[in-house]
Amino acid sequence: KQEVTQIPAALSVPEGENLVLNCSFTDSAIYNLQWFRQDPGKGLTSLLLIQSSQREQTSGRLNASLDKSSGRSTLYIAASQPGDSATYLCAVIGVTGANNLFFGTGTRLTVIP
Amino acid sequence: GAVVSQHPSRVICKSGTSVKIECRSLDFQATTMFWYRQFPKQSLMLMATSNEGSKATYEQGVEKDKFLINHASLTLSTLTVTSAHPEDSSFYICSARNPGLGTGELFFGEGSRLTVL
Repeated sequence: KQEVTQIPAALSVPEGENLVLNCSFTDSAIYNLQWFRQDPGKGLTSLLLIQSSQREQTSGRLNASLDKSSGRSTLYIAASQPGDSATYLCAVIGVTGANNLFFGTGTRLTVIP
Repeated sequence: GAVVSQHPSRVICKSGTSVKIECRSLDFQATTMFWYRQFPKQSLMLMATSNEGSKATYEQGVEKDKFLINHASLTLSTLTVTSAHPEDSSFYICSARNPGLGTGELFFGEGSRLTVL
C-alpha cells in the first residue's frame, strides 16, 4: 500500500524567507501528484499538479518538483508571506485511478510577520 | 479550473437525527465524486466514491447504511449521515475531477463541519 510522508510536520519561518516542503511516497507507480493548501476549517485548494511524466510545475512563487524514481516531491515557496500560513498537503494518485488517492499528513506552515 | 461547492458549511444536530450534505460541481459535470472525512490535525480519509446513476463504492470500514450517498445528477452528490452520534462529528469534504481538463486534477469543496450533540 502506498504511504505518503510529509516532513516537517510543522514549520515556522520569518516573512520573506524561501522554504521547501517535502513529500515522500513509497510506491513510484503513480499517475500524478498534487499539492494542496488547507486553511483552518476550510476545504483544500489545489496549488500544483504534476503528471507522472513531468519533473516540475511552477505557479507564481510556488515550484513543485517530482522525482518518481526516488519517491520524492518538494514544494518550494519563494519570498514567503504571512498569507502563506496554512497546512500544505501532498496527495499521490496511483496508476489504477482515482480511488487510489493517498494523502500525506501535511506540513503546518506559519510565516511570521 | 473547476469549482466544487459544499453545503452546509456547518451543521449542528442532535444525536439520532440525520444530516444531509450536498456537493455540487458548479462549472462542469462530474460522473464521479469523492467523499472524505477529516479528523482534527489529521489528513483526509477517503470514505466512498460516488458514481452518477449507480451505487457508491465504499472504502473498507465505512458503513454504507450509516453514510448514504446519492449521485442523482452529473452535478450533485449528497452524503447523508443517518442516525448521527457524537462520534460522527467531523469535517466532511468532497472532491471531483473536471474530465474536460484531461489532467486528473482534483478539486475540493469547502468542507462541511458536522457537530452532533
